[in-house]
Amino acid sequence: RKEVEQDPGPFNVPEGATVAFNCTYSNSASQSFFWYRQDCRKEPKLLMSVYSSGNEDGRFTAQLNRASQYISLLIRDSKLSDSATYLCVVSQSGGSYIPTFGRGTSLIVHP
Amino acid sequence: GAVVSQHPSRVICKSGTSVKIECRSLDFQATTMFWYRQFPKKSLMLMATSNEGSKATYEQGVEKDKFLINHASLTLSTLTVTSAHPEDSSFYICSARLTLYNEQFFGPGTRLTVL
Repeated sequence: RKEVEQDPGPFNVPEGATVAFNCTYSNSASQSFFWYRQDCRKEPKLLMSVYSSGNEDGRFTAQLNRASQYISLLIRDSKLSDSATYLCVVSQSGGSYIPTFGRGTSLIVHP
Repeated sequence: GAVVSQHPSRVICKSGTSVKIECRSLDFQATTMFWYRQFPKKSLMLMATSNEGSKATYEQGVEKDKFLINHASLTLSTLTVTSAHPEDSSFYICSARLTLYNEQFFGPGTRLTVL
């Protein structure tokens, strides 16, 4: 089983739709969780951190479910500009910090 | 967010030459930087973890004598691809870790083409 798993997609949604991605992780000692966005031929950019209490930033909501070992990203009112690959990153903290990336979920928002 | 620069952004070289890529954290100090490689339509692959003042830790299958990493200061890490071959052509991305929050900030990447 891979350490961090994501559905590669692509998720094809119309503008205005709500879409959600999940990311499962296998290491129960994981402490830090993030969602990154990567556009084609560009570097990943931090979208948001995922806190135990959840995190909301505008149209984006991230949640953590420790019991089931997954994090989620919800995008409301999708825009064309949301089309990208969304990467899930999981790591332990402190000295053993090695980030593990999921393979990414591709989102295509169409008119 | 924090800013990480990477230089050069694009390089074309002949087989057998060496290429050095610089990664700088511009507005914060990074004790840990990471080097990734990404082939087209593939996921990021962690090559090595670079720790300031100590030897880099390489991932399995990454040749340390071919990919030389130096992290001489808290704001600079370099990756040197030695004796480059066409199969080394890829997108190389560095990132720097903001220790307090464990967030990573990525450089814009270097596209290496080896002829």
